Amino acid sequence: AQSVTQPDIHITVSEGASLELRCNYSYGATPYLFWYVQSPGQGLQLLLKYFSGDTLVQGIKGFEAEFKRSQSSFNLRKPSVHWSDAAEYFCAVGAGAAGNKLTFGGGTRVLVKP
Amino acid sequence: EPEVTQTPSHQVTQMGQEVILRCVPISNHLYFYWYRQILGQKVEFLVSFYNNEISEKSEIFDDQFSVERPDGSNFTLKIRSTKLEDSAMYFCASRTLYNSPLHFGNGTRLTVT
Repeated sequence: AQSVTQPDIHITVSEGASLELRCNYSYGATPYLFWYVQSPGQGLQLLLKYFSGDTLVQGIKGFEAEFKRSQSSFNLRKPSVHWSDAAEYFCAVGAGAAGNKLTFGGGTRVLVKP
Repeated sequence: EPEVTQTPSHQVTQMGQEVILRCVPISNHLYFYWYRQILGQKVEFLVSFYNNEISEKSEIFDDQFSVERPDGSNFTLKIRSTKLEDSAMYFCASRTLYNSPLHFGNGTRLTVT
């Protein structure tokens, strides 16, 4: 069965600093990988996805993620964080037909210091 | 941008009561899902629905749960006799075709007392 680990429960970063959120997955086949963001009181918004092809994927809000098969990782990065990036971030791996069923990591809560 | 809408945003019910959580997926989407997140835990898959039938369900989705698409727009999750442990945030999601990502609603927070 597939699984996702997000090792960092909380990360605090200063506004303008870079951000990297770690994600490791376990899945027997080629994974479909996703990052979602959840702001307080909001649903899960898709930041980016990896299905195949270029291992560096660009997403919304200036985020990018790199798929590294050898490390079973899909880390999320942003070069310069804005206060509005404070939220909880979830990595997910999709199984079944084109990622029909998502397995989520536990999430990383990002706090942004002024 | 079209979005998945869920109602109500918060529902409180007594143990043993039936609840129906409602979702309106994005209009041209074909695949529908329910996920839940118990406070402090991971988001978990409950069920997927396509072509008017369940395509996959998790072990959480027992006989107390059912889903329905009663008309062309709504997608509902029914819990027949709620338990305390059903308290969670329930997310509805939908997607178009093969190889497209899921779009989630804002969730319904269910509190069972």
